[in-house]
Amino acid sequence: SQQGEEDPQALSIQEGENATMNCSYKTSINNLQWYRQNSGRGLVHLILIRSNEREKHSGRLRVTLDTSKKSSSLLITASRAADTASYFCARGGTSGSRLTFGEGTQLTVNP
Amino acid sequence: DVKVTQSSRYLVKRTGEKVFLECVQDMDHENMFWYRQDPGLGLRLIYFSYDVKMKEKGDIPEGYSVSREKKERFSLILESASTNQTSMYLCASNSGGGVADTQYFGPGTRLTVL
Repeated sequence: SQQGEEDPQALSIQEGENATMNCSYKTSINNLQWYRQNSGRGLVHLILIRSNEREKHSGRLRVTLDTSKKSSSLLITASRAADTASYFCARGGTSGSRLTFGEGTQLTVNP
Repeated sequence: DVKVTQSSRYLVKRTGEKVFLECVQDMDHENMFWYRQDPGLGLRLIYFSYDVKMKEKGDIPEGYSVSREKKERFSLILESASTNQTSMYLCASNSGGGVADTQYFGPGTRLTVL
């Protein structure tokens, strides 16, 4: 796929556990972004990491970026049932305003 | 807060009808985007616009056209709707400058073509 890949496609965990989602891509990036989508709704931006950054935190979210491996991961710590959603990574290229989205990971957090 | 609104949450149309999907943003953003989202395929870019009256094709423009007469409004047009255009349509916007910055999304329009 030109978009890259996310894995796993689906993840089911218990409340309180950590959730890790991975994203790989194939071409050079300016930044990599993660979005969340609740069922049937629009996407909400979570975090952006630039190509010269290796790790970024926002509350219970931690994003890492390894440009040598062309991969990123999103870690949600101490998950809650309200974290149940689809999570998408989006690659911002080195030129232009477009984002290229992955196919998403469906996270289910069981109470 | 950035607000992106879409004219309808749900829409049902018949094959062959002309369909207009409207998107409005209130943050004076230069760039606006139209995506469609289908299960297993993620988000695919249909068209985007980086200025009034300017447009560029995305990855799947066939069967669609767009219009941007005012900076805050970006319309997606299905000239003759077909059943394979049944999908979730998402509009987004961001500031310009040629950098792939954070995009702000509307709530989506679920279109069914019968």
